[in-house]
Amino acid sequence: TQLLKQSPQFLSIQEGENLTVYCNSSSVFSSLQWYRQEPGEGPVLLVTVVTGGEVKKLKRLTFQFGDARKDSSLHITAAQPGDTGLYLCAGAGNYGQNFVFGPGTRLSVLP
Amino acid sequence: GAVVSQHPSRVICKSGTSVKIECRSLDFQATTMFWYRQFPKQSLMLMATSNEGSKATYEQGVEKDKFLINHASLTLSTLTVTSAHPEDSSFYICSAYSSPGTGGNYGYTFGSGTRLTVV
Repeated sequence: TQLLKQSPQFLSIQEGENLTVYCNSSSVFSSLQWYRQEPGEGPVLLVTVVTGGEVKKLKRLTFQFGDARKDSSLHITAAQPGDTGLYLCAGAGNYGQNFVFGPGTRLSVLP
Repeated sequence: GAVVSQHPSRVICKSGTSVKIECRSLDFQATTMFWYRQFPKQSLMLMATSNEGSKATYEQGVEKDKFLINHASLTLSTLTVTSAHPEDSSFYICSAYSSPGTGGNYGYTFGSGTRLTVV
């Protein structure tokens, strides 16, 4: 069983602050994805990382996949109220198992 | 890009009735679709994997006779909640996997979800 843990579970910050959320597992993943979900909507894919050590940037968001492909981080620079939402990481196993979701980090950016 | 359409977005039904939820891949073929359930302020829990032309694979603890899944074509999977009860009230989300060469972006795309309320 592959389990993903995310931290922090909740995060409330002021507009303009920086933040990092983490996704960790004891298992190795062939790929890992980050999603953002707003209330009443389905998750929207932000990024997929597949190579250990990989860093991807999407405007103010920076994603990193750990060298061992067991963990990942999402860093947001100068957070804005529009960044508010549930951030979910999801990983796919080495042998094509369905991917599993982490419990999510609920981010609230206050104006 | 890949688009997955889920319908209806909201449904209210009486206890004991059945409800069908549709999940369509609009611009790509999806041999595999997934059905998730999400409780308030929680993450997504995989219920079952829907395979075109074959039986769905259910996760442990999910009643296959209660949650009927049909994947009759490469663009449509349906989830039918049979004999619904209030405890079945939840947010149900589907996703479709598009592999390279099937017309969509490589990876998983989610529908917008269906809010089911059983009264």
